[in-house]
Amino acid sequence: EAAVTQSPRSKVAVTGGKVTLSCHQTNNHDYMYWYRQDTGHGLRLIHYSYVADSTEKGDIPDGYKASRPSQENFSLILELASLSQTAVYFCASSDAGGYAEQFFGPGTRLTVL
Amino acid sequence: KTQVEQSPQSLVVRQGENCVLQCNYSVTPDNHLRWFKQDTGKGLVSLTVLVDQKDKTSNGRYSATLDKDAKHSTLHITATLLDDTATYICVVGDRGSALGRLHFGAGTQLIVIP
Repeated sequence: EAAVTQSPRSKVAVTGGKVTLSCHQTNNHDYMYWYRQDTGHGLRLIHYSYVADSTEKGDIPDGYKASRPSQENFSLILELASLSQTAVYFCASSDAGGYAEQFFGPGTRLTVL
Repeated sequence: KTQVEQSPQSLVVRQGENCVLQCNYSVTPDNHLRWFKQDTGKGLVSLTVLVDQKDKTSNGRYSATLDKDAKHSTLHITATLLDDTATYICVVGDRGSALGRLHFGAGTQLIVIP
């Protein structure tokens, strides 16, 4: 069954440290996305990619980088983690068309202390 | 400014009862609207997508309506089960492809009690 997996599932990081969140999909989808979810708010798009070796900025890219080394893998990088980046992060993948249903991973709970 | 508002914020129902969740939005253009279910600690799973100006869909015990003139959608859950306990998220897409943006509501937390 097609799936989106994320690692780690939870992480505690120190302020100023580097954090890498990984996402892997077996859907054979071209599009991949990184969102963050904060309590009481809707998901917000950080970065996305529609082809390997290329990434695009979403609505809240500041403080985050992304890397798409292959169609299957998409990483989110926090070079200098800050307290405000404590959140749950979701990765998703989709086809290009057909109302582009996005298939979500289980999420990574990141706590920055 | 929040473009997708969901109500109620939370809801408690007894197993077997019906419930209705509301979604109002201001997204323009509004190409389609999708309802997701998010179990605690899990990712979002699509329940249904609505596309037409006035649309209705049905998926088992879940049924949904969309009125694009009113920019309003409802999700009905019939004969609730304990497994329906989850957060239900309304998402409006401004295009019918991955090139568009998705606008997420904050969700309605549904708790089903025995």
